[in-house]
Amino acid sequence: SQTIHQWPATLVQPVGSPLSLECTVEGTSNPNLYWYRQAAGRGLQLLFYSVGIGQISSEVPQNLSASRPQDRQFILSSKKLLLSDSGFYLCACRGATNEKLFFGSGTQLSVL
Amino acid sequence: RKEVEQDPGPFNVPEGATVAFNCTYSNSASQSFFWYRQDCRKEPKLLMSVYSSGNEDGRFTAQLNRASQYISLLIRDSKLSDSATYLCVVNSYNDMRFGAGTRLTVKP
Repeated sequence: SQTIHQWPATLVQPVGSPLSLECTVEGTSNPNLYWYRQAAGRGLQLLFYSVGIGQISSEVPQNLSASRPQDRQFILSSKKLLLSDSGFYLCACRGATNEKLFFGSGTQLSVL
Repeated sequence: RKEVEQDPGPFNVPEGATVAFNCTYSNSASQSFFWYRQDCRKEPKLLMSVYSSGNEDGRFTAQLNRASQYISLLIRDSKLSDSATYLCVVNSYNDMRFGAGTRLTVKP
């Protein structure tokens, strides 16, 4: 079965600092990968998804970008964080032969 | 209109009660459907898939109505441990969209 590694669990960053969150997947190949953000008390907002290396579909969060340098690696980045970037960031994976979506344990980001 | 809409909740029910959650979706080309459960400050976890014929897993029953673009989740004999947020998920060509979730609290 697939395992999703996401770190760190919590992160506190000052406004204007850069961000890099990494997600790696084990136990599957050629997965679809996703980044979601969840604001406090709200639902999950889809930020990016990727169906393969170098292929990124964006839901246009202007301050964030994503990259997929390897089949099982998905990176979320920002050059300059805003206060509004605070939230719970979740990486998720769907295997090539499995419709179901599985999540990493998430990163709670606080931008101060 | 939001792509996936759920009952706003919250639902506060006594142990043993039956509770139903509803979810509507706007994309008629949506291909697959799921219910997830999310505990506070944790990642969502798959509760069950939703099939066209309806499906049951113990105390949980899911239904899909493609004509009305509607899915539902029924929980029978509620337990304290069922307290969580329930998320409706709709998949359209790899684009997995979540509803905002419905908060359920089961009380003794």
